[in-house]
Amino acid sequence: RKEVEQDPGPFNVPEGATVAFNCTYSNSASQSFFWYRQDCRKEPKLLMSVYSSGNEDGRFTAQLNRASQYISLLIRDSKLSDSATYLCVVVRDSGGGADGLTFGKGTHLIIQP
Amino acid sequence: AAGVIQSPRHLIKEKRETATLKCYPIPRHDTVYWYQQGPGQDPQFLISFYEKMQSDKGSIPDRFSAQQFSDYHSELNMSSLELGDSALYFCASSFHPRTSYNEQFFGPGTRLTVL
Repeated sequence: RKEVEQDPGPFNVPEGATVAFNCTYSNSASQSFFWYRQDCRKEPKLLMSVYSSGNEDGRFTAQLNRASQYISLLIRDSKLSDSATYLCVVVRDSGGGADGLTFGKGTHLIIQP
Repeated sequence: AAGVIQSPRHLIKEKRETATLKCYPIPRHDTVYWYQQGPGQDPQFLISFYEKMQSDKGSIPDRFSAQQFSDYHSELNMSSLELGDSALYFCASSFHPRTSYNEQFFGPGTRLTVL
């Protein structure tokens, strides 16, 4: 079983719609979680950190469910510029401190005019 | 705001040659990470450094080595290159996770092509 699993999509949604992604992670000891977005052939860009209490940043809301080991991202009032691949990310728990990130395969989102 | 700088941006090498990639972290970031992203793949963690010491090690081949210098920049050295090493190589930087949530910021990447 892959450590971080996401539905690859693509998700085709009309502009202005609300879209939600989930991902699941296998390591119950994981402590830190993120959503990154990646545009074609570009670097991953940090979208949101995901905190236990959930957090919101403008049109974006992230939630963490530790009991079920899943993370969600909700995008409201989607814009054409939201079209990208959304990567669910879990920090490795190596105990060394500067831990690397484990990425899901990504969910491809296409916003249609 | 200043971002992570990587050089070169593109590199073409022959099989069995060596390559050195460089990474300059965001100012005041003291921790660097290296990732490899093959075509159609998600980024795979290779290695990380803090205070010039290796901190975490992922799927870095034995043919690769890396180090961090006193000015916090890092270099990834790749020897005996193989066709399968063709990929995007990203460097990321952060404040040390003891003082942050381990939010990592990625550079634009070096695209390595091995012929």
